Amino acid sequence: LAKTTQPISMDSYEGQEVNITCSHNNIATNDYITWYQQFPSQGPRFIIQGYKTKVTNEVASLFIPADRKSSTLSLPRVSLSDTAVYYCLVALSTGTASKLTFGTGTRLQVTL
Amino acid sequence: DTGVSQNPRHKITKRGQNVTFRCDPISEHNRLYWYRQTLGQGPEFLTYFQNEAQLEKSRLLSDRFSAERPKGSFSTLEIQRTEQGDSAMYLCASSLAPVTLASKNIQYFGAGTRLSVL
Repeated sequence: LAKTTQPISMDSYEGQEVNITCSHNNIATNDYITWYQQFPSQGPRFIIQGYKTKVTNEVASLFIPADRKSSTLSLPRVSLSDTAVYYCLVALSTGTASKLTFGTGTRLQVTL
Repeated sequence: DTGVSQNPRHKITKRGQNVTFRCDPISEHNRLYWYRQTLGQGPEFLTYFQNEAQLEKSRLLSDRFSAERPKGSFSTLEIQRTEQGDSAMYLCASSLAPVTLASKNIQYFGAGTRLSVL
């Protein structure tokens, strides 16, 4: 069964860089990799999206190796307000089709 | 607010009752998605529409579940004969369909409808 896996949790101090990796061995050929942030009782909020190599926006960077079987979300200097659950979203190949699949989620706890 | 809107935010129902949720997507978006999320888990894909056509349904979407998007704008998700296992957050997202296979497709999510089946 194709899966999209992430570390369950991570702890960081405020001001540090945090890197969260998502493994997606069966990613569909033509699909982008998207990362979301989710706070309790809210819908996921878009952070960043990429197809390959490196993408950077005002809040994060996304690193994708050439084989695209994993991706790493990098949050440069986290603050307390970054405490949330982070998910990757990819389309996994199921043979002749693909299935939108969220990762297992990483709970990030930021402390002073 | 021009984001994705979901109503109601919370729904409590008794087992066996029917419930219906509504999603209003971002106005220019032609794709609309439904997901289900249980506590401590990531969202699970249920179905999606492009305009009014339902293009894909997950095996999670049993016969008791039906989704519609009659005019290609808002969508409804109905659950008939609810069961306690249906208790979850139901999330809606919308996006612009990619122009090419390699085009971006960013889904924007609503705040969700939390269903509790007693």
